[in-house]
Amino acid sequence: DSGVTQTPKHLITATGQRVTLRCSPRSGDLSVYWYQQSLDQGLQFLIQYYNGEERAKGNILERFSAQQFPDLHSELNLSSLELGDSALYFCASSPHTDTEAFFGQGTRLTVV
Amino acid sequence: DQQVKQNSPSLSVQEGRISILNCDYTNSMFDYFLWYKKYPAEGPTFLISISSIKDKNEDGRFTVFLNKSAKHLSLHIVPSQPGDSAVYFCAASANTGTASKLTFGTGTRLQVTL
Repeated sequence: DSGVTQTPKHLITATGQRVTLRCSPRSGDLSVYWYQQSLDQGLQFLIQYYNGEERAKGNILERFSAQQFPDLHSELNLSSLELGDSALYFCASSPHTDTEAFFGQGTRLTVV
Repeated sequence: DQQVKQNSPSLSVQEGRISILNCDYTNSMFDYFLWYKKYPAEGPTFLISISSIKDKNEDGRFTVFLNKSAKHLSLHIVPSQPGDSAVYFCAASANTGTASKLTFGTGTRLQVTL
C-alpha cells in the first residue's frame, strides 16, 4: 500500500459526460501528479500541483482540469468525454518536487 | 516526441539468470532517473533511482547503471525470480528546483520463467 488513495477504482460513463477523479496523497506529501495510461502506452504526465499551486503541465487536454485543495487532496475533472479518453488515470504524490513519487492504484475510466 | 524510450516491449528470462532492461533518453536536462515496477491492476511501485552524478546504484538484487555520454541507463536484476515478472518503467526527471515531473518510457514487460 503506497498510502495514495484514488477513488473511484472503476468508472463507466457515456460520451459527452463529465467525471471527477479524486486523489488523497500520502500524509505530509505536498506534491500531487496526475498521469494517464492508455492501452499499451506508457504513463503520460498530465499535470502537477505543489501545495495548492499548479507547478507543471504536460499533455493535458483543455477538456481536462485539475485542482489541489487546502487539505492537499486533488481532483481531476474530465469533461465532454470521448471514447479515446478511456484509460487508467494514476495519481502520485511526493513530499516535495524532487523526490520519487508514490502512485495510487489508479482509476480505470471506460467511456462508452 | 518520446524523450524516454524503452525499445524492448518484452523480455523473457529464466529464473536465476540476469535480467537486463534498457532505457534511452534524449533530453540532456534530465538529471534524475528512476525505475518503477508495475503489476496488473496496481499502480507503479518505485524500485530504484540514480542521480546523474553517479554511474551506478545498487539495492539488493537490483542495480541501475547510467551512461550519461550515451544517454542510456539499464536495470540489472540478479538473480531473477518469478515474482519479478511485471512491467518495468524507466522514468526521468529534470529538476528545475521548483517543479519536476517524471517522464516515463512505454515500459518493458519482464517474464521470468521457471
